[in-house]
Amino acid sequence: AQRVTQPEKLLSVFKGAPVELKCNYSYSGSPELFWYVQYSRQRLQLLLRHISRESIKGFTADLNKGETSFHLKKPFAQEEDSAMYYCALRSLSGQNFVFGPGTRLSVLP
Amino acid sequence: EADIYQTPRYLVIGTGKKITLECSQTMGHDKMYWYQQDPGMELHLIHYSYGVNSTEKGDLSSESTVSRIRTEHFPLTLESARPSHTSQYLCASRPGRERDYNSPLHFGNGTRLTVT
Repeated sequence: AQRVTQPEKLLSVFKGAPVELKCNYSYSGSPELFWYVQYSRQRLQLLLRHISRESIKGFTADLNKGETSFHLKKPFAQEEDSAMYYCALRSLSGQNFVFGPGTRLSVLP
Repeated sequence: EADIYQTPRYLVIGTGKKITLECSQTMGHDKMYWYQQDPGMELHLIHYSYGVNSTEKGDLSSESTVSRIRTEHFPLTLESARPSHTSQYLCASRPGRERDYNSPLHFGNGTRLTVT
């Protein structure tokens, strides 16, 4: 079965500190993974996807197939990074997405 | 402006009422989705559509129904609302062409439904 877990419901860090949002998945095959973000009073939107190997707003995420993880990292957190972050996996059929429960990141001044 | 729109944003209704949540997109996307999300929980897929006259049930059992008569419109209907339907409902879309295989979901602002 395809499943995405995010073990932390809430993560609080101070401004300027490194941040890592954990995501683990279970999937039989080559996964496609995404991070979505929802800022306060805004809609859910794509942050980044592993196939693009991009850095968005200073965030990066590396797919580790051995550990079945796709953790989201940023070396220096900013207050505007405070948001809800969801890890998502594209399903076997390639049509649908499976989401994790989300982690609320709070960056303190 | 090309976007995906959901109405209403908030809805409070009594038990037993029939309601329709609207979702429209002007991006020309073939694929549309409805997700249900309780506070602090993951999104659960309840319905999806790959194109006109194509609808499928998602992973989460739902008493709602959907229709896709036009590409841009994907309404969700509850024939008889109950308190257990209280939740946030998110509509999303993405292109359906082969070259857009890796395209992400575009979400609407959501409808927060409360059934009293």
